[in-house]
This record gives sequence, structure tokens and C-alpha cells, in this order.
Amino acid sequence: QSALTQPASVSGSPGQSITFSCTGTSSDVGSFNFVSWYQQHPGKAPKLIIYEGTNRPSGVSNRFSGSKSGNTASLTISGLRAEDEAEYFCSSYAGGTIMVFGGGTKLTVL
Amino acid sequence: QLQLQESGSGLVKPSQTLSLTCAVSGGSLSSGDYSWGWLRQSPGQGLECIGYNYRDGTNYCSPSLKSRVIISLDRSKNQFSLNLISVTAADTAVYYCAGASGGWAFDIWGQGTLVTVSS
Repeated sequence: QSALTQPASVSGSPGQSITFSCTGTSSDVGSFNFVSWYQQHPGKAPKLIIYEGTNRPSGVSNRFSGSKSGNTASLTISGLRAEDEAEYFCSSYAGGTIMVFGGGTKLTVL
Repeated sequence: QLQLQESGSGLVKPSQTLSLTCAVSGGSLSSGDYSWGWLRQSPGQGLECIGYNYRDGTNYCSPSLKSRVIISLDRSKNQFSLNLISVTAADTAVYYCAGASGGWAFDIWGQGTLVTVSS
């Protein structure tokens, strides 16, 4: 069982906006601004798309955005595209040297 | 542009030691202010951070693995390694080496290597 809770799957149609949730506790997500989001296509390594909750690495589309409210972090993809179909993982710093991950959400683009 | 490539045994017997190496290319292990770490992903499961080396000190992301993990850097060979001792079938996973430039986020990843623990 993963430390952070993510829904197993979500789906959306091209052009739509879709939001993923990542629920932690006051010991991780709620206490630190170090939530990251990763995109993983089948058979590939994860790719960092959001760090420190809201920041995008260079080269990542501005269709991806991150936010946080309390113990829950969110990732929003706007203008959904077929190539966005992948699994999305969240992670959070949890104090000391600990980093925790969510179980991942599979996105299906209908 | 920094690139990472894992290598090592793909099959390890129970109770033995899993050993993997991550070669860094396109730059130096000492460039920037990177943490160099290892993560794994069990079949059909989420990601798990194992540990990372920052400024020659090893930090353990997962308390449950701490007692079995050794992460070391070899700057002369521009590579870093993972040793996981006393493995069981539960350690079967795709293992990734990765680099984090800050903010508790891994922005560089190797392609991953599947390690199976089986007799």
C-alpha cells in the first residue's frame, strides 16, 4: 500500500481538462511544498513534469499545472491530447530523508 | 545533457545481494549539486524511493529498506552503485537510477532494469 493515495484510473476526451488528486497527511503533503508529479508511458522511465508543487521543468508543456490544498495535491492537464495517455505518479517529501510516492493513476484518453 | 544507464545482474537468488551500477554520461557525477539515487517499481505497482547519495553521504528514503541498502559513488569511473543485501522475491522490480538537482524531485532517469529474485 502506497503512502500517498491516488485514484487508480481517470479518463477524458481530447480537448478536455482533467485533474488528478494525490492525498497524503499532515506529515507529508500538508507540511511541505515538495510535491512532484511524474508521467510514465508504458515500458518507459518516469518523467518529471511538476516539482515543488507548482513548477514545471524546462521543456514541459504549460498544459500541465500543479496545486495543493491542505493534505491533497492536484495535477491538472488542460487541452487533453492522445499522447497524454500514461500513468501519473505523485511524490512528496515527508521529513528527514523520507520521500513517499502514490500508487499512480492511469489516464485514458477516450 | 546528462544521461544515466543501469547495468547489473537481472537474476538474483534469494538471500543473495542485488548489485547494480549506474553510468553517468554527458557530464560529470560531480557537476552541479545533484543527489544520485535509486528507485524501484514492482510489477504493476507504484514507485518506491530506495535511497540517494548527496555530497558523499547516503540517505535512505525508505525506512523499511534502510538496513539492507548500500549506495556508493565512484567519481573516477563516473558511476554510482546500489547493493541490496539479503533479497527476497519481494525485491523483484524494475530498478531505476536517477538524479535530483533539488527540491526532492528526480529530473534525470535511467531507462530502468528488471531484476528478478528467484532460485
